[in-house]
Amino acid sequence: AQSVTQPDIHITVSEGASLELRCNYSYGATPYLFWYVQSPGQGLQLLLKYFSGDTLVQGIKGFEAEFKRSQSSFNLRKPSVHWSDAAEYFCAVGAGTNAGKSTFGDGTTLTVKP
Amino acid sequence: DAGVIQSPRHEVTEMGQEVTLRCKPISGHNSLFWYRQTMMRGLELLIYFNNNVPIDDSGMPEDRFSAKMPNASFSTLKIQPSEPRDSAVYFCASSPVRAGVTGELFFGEGSRLTVL
Repeated sequence: AQSVTQPDIHITVSEGASLELRCNYSYGATPYLFWYVQSPGQGLQLLLKYFSGDTLVQGIKGFEAEFKRSQSSFNLRKPSVHWSDAAEYFCAVGAGTNAGKSTFGDGTTLTVKP
Repeated sequence: DAGVIQSPRHEVTEMGQEVTLRCKPISGHNSLFWYRQTMMRGLELLIYFNNNVPIDDSGMPEDRFSAKMPNASFSTLKIQPSEPRDSAVYFCASSPVRAGVTGELFFGEGSRLTVL
């Protein structure tokens, strides 16, 4: 069965500082990986996705993520955080042909200090 | 373009009452998902449909929960009778899934259910 672990429940960074959110997955084949962001009172919005090819993927709002098969990781990064990035971030792994059965991590809440 | 539309946004009801949540997916998306989000359990997939057919309902908590998708543009999630432990935010999401490809999910804004 597929699973996702986000080791950090809560992260606080200063505005303008760099950010890395960790995600580790467990899946027997090539995974389909996603990062979503959820602002308070809103639904989840896709930031970026990895299916195949280049292991460094670019997303919206200046985010990027790197797929590392050897580490079973798909960490999310941003070089300079803005106050508007404060939100909850979810990593998810999908199961190819079993489309839709994305399994979500428990989320990481990001707080941005002025 | 309109996104996934859910109604109601907020619902407060009393234990034992029937609750119906509604969802209109994005036009052209052929898969629809119902998720539940709580602090304790995070995001849980309840059920999903492909081309209006329920594919996997293993996440539905119990027989009090039922979901239907009578056509490509409408789905309902019903809880009867409701219980306080059903209090959560229920999300509907749709996806332009094609054969063999996992599509990303497009979420609605959720329906916040409170059962007293």
